[in-house]
Amino acid sequence: GESVGLHLPTLSVQEGDNSIINCAYSNSASDYFIWYKQESGKGPQFIIDIRSNMDKRQGQRVTVLLNKTVKHLSLQIAATQPGDSAVYFCAESPNTGGFKTIFGAGTRLFVKA
Amino acid sequence: DGGITQSPKYLFRKEGQNVTLSCEQNLNHDAMYWYRQDPGQGLRLIYYSQIVNDFQKGDIAEGYSVSREKKESFPLTVTSAQKNPTAFYLCASSIDIADTQYFGPGTRLTVL
Repeated sequence: GESVGLHLPTLSVQEGDNSIINCAYSNSASDYFIWYKQESGKGPQFIIDIRSNMDKRQGQRVTVLLNKTVKHLSLQIAATQPGDSAVYFCAESPNTGGFKTIFGAGTRLFVKA
Repeated sequence: DGGITQSPKYLFRKEGQNVTLSCEQNLNHDAMYWYRQDPGQGLRLIYYSQIVNDFQKGDIAEGYSVSREKKESFPLTVTSAQKNPTAFYLCASSIDIADTQYFGPGTRLTVL
């Protein structure tokens, strides 16, 4: 997962545009990846997950892409809305989650109306 | 209405006092976890419990204690031994110890 100290990377997008949030994961043995959304002062919400035997998975307005060669994960949000403003972070695990999950620090998404 | 609840949402305590944070889930999950979140950092695991009456230290267990007497409850005590307790504390649960975790709303602890 990523570690960026006190200040998170920030992405600012116009309402209606697509957003792409990136994550570089650390462990080549990781088999399972999750994206969470965390609004200010709230707990993280599960968005979408992907196993290492896949390179793409789609949900409602969201797509996760996995590139195992360069250990890179991305979250694409289509037609970004003001309610999408939050911190997004990725998590990696050697199996399907659980106590060995490693969480990244996240990226802050601002959506301009 | 299933889910994970944490209480209180905000907690203020004086230095040197122990404080207990509540976490309850009605999802029938076996595994529960406590994390600490500090600004600009990823979640750090404090303690986890695979099943009732069992719990294990995570990466930053010093200064914390837990109990798991009931499946649905996993309270965390922040003791006076914790050097820097001010943080946002998150509880999570999963069906079992190797499954996707779902989080509660968090408790923000401020030590004055």
